[in-house]
Amino acid sequence: KQEVTQIPAALSVPEGENLVLNCSFTDSAIYNLQWFRQDPGKGLTSLLLIQSSQREQTSGRLNASLDKSSGRSTLYIAASQPGDSATYLCAAKLTGANNLFFGTGTRLTVIP
Amino acid sequence: DAGVIQSPRHEVTEMGQEVTLRCKPISGHDYLFWYRQTMMRGLELLIYFNNNVPIDDSGMPEDRFSAKMPNASFSTLKIQPSEPRDSAVYFCASRPSGVTEAFFGQGTRLTVV
Repeated sequence: KQEVTQIPAALSVPEGENLVLNCSFTDSAIYNLQWFRQDPGKGLTSLLLIQSSQREQTSGRLNASLDKSSGRSTLYIAASQPGDSATYLCAAKLTGANNLFFGTGTRLTVIP
Repeated sequence: DAGVIQSPRHEVTEMGQEVTLRCKPISGHDYLFWYRQTMMRGLELLIYFNNNVPIDDSGMPEDRFSAKMPNASFSTLKIQPSEPRDSAVYFCASRPSGVTEAFFGQGTRLTVV
């Protein structure tokens, strides 16, 4: 079974800082890895999806990387803003499987 | 499209009562997933359907849980009888074949007292 871990569980940074969120997974036979954002009381919004053949994906101030050999993915947020405050979840999809294995998330607070 | 629609958004019920959660997937999506989110265990897959047929229900915790998908536009997750430890947020997600990105509903927050 795929185990997905996110450390730290919570992170507070001042506005304007660049930051990195970490995601580790145990099964390197992943098909893709997806980063989501979850606001309190809301559903999940997909941010970036990296296929197993890719090394990174970028969208605006967000950059996600994937290293299958080490079982790691990172989400880099540049010039953080208070509006970035949310819980960030990573999820791995295994080759041949249809469901996602989620990490427990990192709760990010950007302090104005 | 309005996205994946779940109802109700919040449900508070007494232990022992039957609870039914509802989901309307995005039109044209033939995969539908039910997930449960708790503080302790995060997001876990309960069951998923493909073309209205249950494919993997290994995540369903007990016989008290059941899910149906009578047609392509509607699915239910039922808990009978409900217990306090069932309190969680239940998410429904859907996606079309050939696309790996799933779209999630807003979730139903269930509290069993």
